[in-house]
Amino acid sequence: GNSVTQMEGPVTLSEEAFLTINCTYTATGYPSLFWYVQYPGEGLQLLLKATKADDKGSNKGFEATYRKETTSFHLEKGSVQVSDSAVYFCALNSNTGNQFYFGTGTSLTVIP
Amino acid sequence: SQTIHQWPATLVQPVGSPLSLECTVEGTSNPNLYWYRQAAGRGLQLLFYSVGIGQISSEVPQNLSASRPQDRQFILSSKKLLLSDSGFYLCAWSGSMGETQYFGPGTRLLVL
Repeated sequence: GNSVTQMEGPVTLSEEAFLTINCTYTATGYPSLFWYVQYPGEGLQLLLKATKADDKGSNKGFEATYRKETTSFHLEKGSVQVSDSAVYFCALNSNTGNQFYFGTGTSLTVIP
Repeated sequence: SQTIHQWPATLVQPVGSPLSLECTVEGTSNPNLYWYRQAAGRGLQLLFYSVGIGQISSEVPQNLSASRPQDRQFILSSKKLLLSDSGFYLCAWSGSMGETQYFGPGTRLLVL
């Protein structure tokens, strides 16, 4: 079946620290992978995506590489800001149906 | 460009009352439409999805129902709300191939 596992939070970092949020997946076929961000009280926003193995998605200083050999799509940012405080969701589209599979979300708090 | 709207933004309803949440999409045609629920501090639960007018797939048996009376309109309803229906309801759309989902701003429902 299809599923996404991401690291439990909450994660608290100081401003300018390095961020990694781990995400691994199980999928049939050739999935597309996504990271979404949810700011307090808002809907989810697409942060970045990758549609095939070895693709790197990047946006706003965040990046993630689609690693088929380790079935992973870890989110990284070199220097976090207070404004990056949010909940981050890893997601998978198996491309064989109409459904997405979301991880449980990782809450990030960045302190000045 | 495409936009997705949800209303109301916030709703407080007594137990046993009816519910109607509306979602509309602009700037695209024949989208796939989705309703998710997010309980406080939790991940996303897919409730319903639709690939066309009048076509609804239910993922979780419960006292909620969905309808799609027009191509870009998706409605979530209940005849009698339960306390457990409280949560943050998110509507999303994707292209007909389901490749990427885009979320609305959400409706926060509190059942008292």
